[in-house]
Amino acid sequence: AQSVSQHNHHVILSEAASLELGCNYSYGGTVNLFWYVQYPGQHLQLLLKYFSGDPLVKGIKGFEAEFIKSKFSFNLRKPSVQWSDTAEYFCAVSTYFGNEKLTFGTGTRLTIIP
Amino acid sequence: DTGVSQDPRHKITKRGQNVTFRCDPISEHNRLYWYRQTLGQGPEFLTYFQNEAQLEKSRLLSDRFSAERPKGSFSTLEIQRTEQGDSAMYLCASSLPAQGEQYFGPGTRLTVT
Repeated sequence: AQSVSQHNHHVILSEAASLELGCNYSYGGTVNLFWYVQYPGQHLQLLLKYFSGDPLVKGIKGFEAEFIKSKFSFNLRKPSVQWSDTAEYFCAVSTYFGNEKLTFGTGTRLTIIP
Repeated sequence: DTGVSQDPRHKITKRGQNVTFRCDPISEHNRLYWYRQTLGQGPEFLTYFQNEAQLEKSRLLSDRFSAERPKGSFSTLEIQRTEQGDSAMYLCASSLPAQGEQYFGPGTRLTVT
């Protein structure tokens, strides 16, 4: 069975700082990878996804993530964060067997200080 | 709003009572998923439907849990004889086949006292 690790539980940054959140997965086969975000009081929203092709994917709000197959990693990055990026970020993986159930990491709480 | 909706948003119940939650997916989505999320954890898969067929159930889903999607549209999740350990946020998501991307509802927060 697949699993996802997010090693940063809580990250605190100042506005304009650069962000990188780690995500590692455990699965030997082909995977689809996702980053979801949950803003305070809101539901989970898709930030970006990787299925195949260019391992550097761009998402909404200036976020990007890079799939490194050899490292089983899918780290999320943003060059300059804003206060509005304060949220909880979840990395997730699915394996395609006709059922794309998601396996999530434990999440990283991001706090941006104005 | 054409997103996934869930009802109720909050439910407080006493231990031993039965509760039922409803999920209305995005109208053209024929896949519907239930997840459970506890504090400090990511969502955990419970079960999923393709149209009205329940195709997979997690081992997390004890015999006290049952889910239905009778007409392939909305779905219900029932918990019988609730226990304090059932306290969690129950999330519903929907998708199109092979799309991979799931759209989540706001969740139902269950508190068992």
